[in-house]
Amino acid sequence: QSALTQPASVSGSPGQSITISCTGTSSDVGGSNYVSWYQQHPGRAPTLMIYDVNHRPSGVSPRFSGSKSGNTASLTISALQAEDEADYYCSSFTNIITYVFGTGTKVTVL
Amino acid sequence: QVQLVQSGAEVKNPGASVKVSCKASGYTFTGYYLHWVRQAPGQGLEWMGWINPNSGATKSAQTFQGRVTVTRDTSISTAFMELTGLRSDDTAVYYCAKAAPIGASTSLFDNWGQGTLVTVSS
Repeated sequence: QSALTQPASVSGSPGQSITISCTGTSSDVGGSNYVSWYQQHPGRAPTLMIYDVNHRPSGVSPRFSGSKSGNTASLTISALQAEDEADYYCSSFTNIITYVFGTGTKVTVL
Repeated sequence: QVQLVQSGAEVKNPGASVKVSCKASGYTFTGYYLHWVRQAPGQGLEWMGWINPNSGATKSAQTFQGRVTVTRDTSISTAFMELTGLRSDDTAVYYCAKAAPIGASTSLFDNWGQGTLVTVSS
């Protein structure tokens, strides 16, 4: 199972919106409603930001939203803040009852 | 509150095996899937496998070709991940993560352990 494809880096100024893409295949992202997104700060464990494509856990800012079209899922961060600077990973359930993560995206707040 | 506490850092020789533990508290251990994920230095996350702590059923990533075994001891609410035939590229931080309720139509890794650094070096 190959890793899902994410852009290596995305940047934006405070207050702007950015979108991170996560491209897979019909065997994972395209065939599953179980896509999730994780934020990871340096030296820390990942934290859940979005699950089941577009559901936000309690405690996560509404500035974070998820969507999916075909084989590509997306995470949008609106009203970008300095604290959003981190690495972000998508994950998808697959048709062989396994999981696969994305390659990761470094978000920089300019 | 939910806590996943992992065992300490390990240094192993190439060809050896390592067994990492993950002790769960704050929730019903047998009610939720438990996954293992690793992260090599400066690299991304890599999914390794899951266990149903209730039944003991497991599934591992094909990448590991039978080198990884996930088990659990329900009497102490602890899951274990053993990786055999260690190579230098197995050097990574290994995480356990609590996942969806067993039987639920949802999927998420909502609580993570603190990570265990495994270094493979001669």
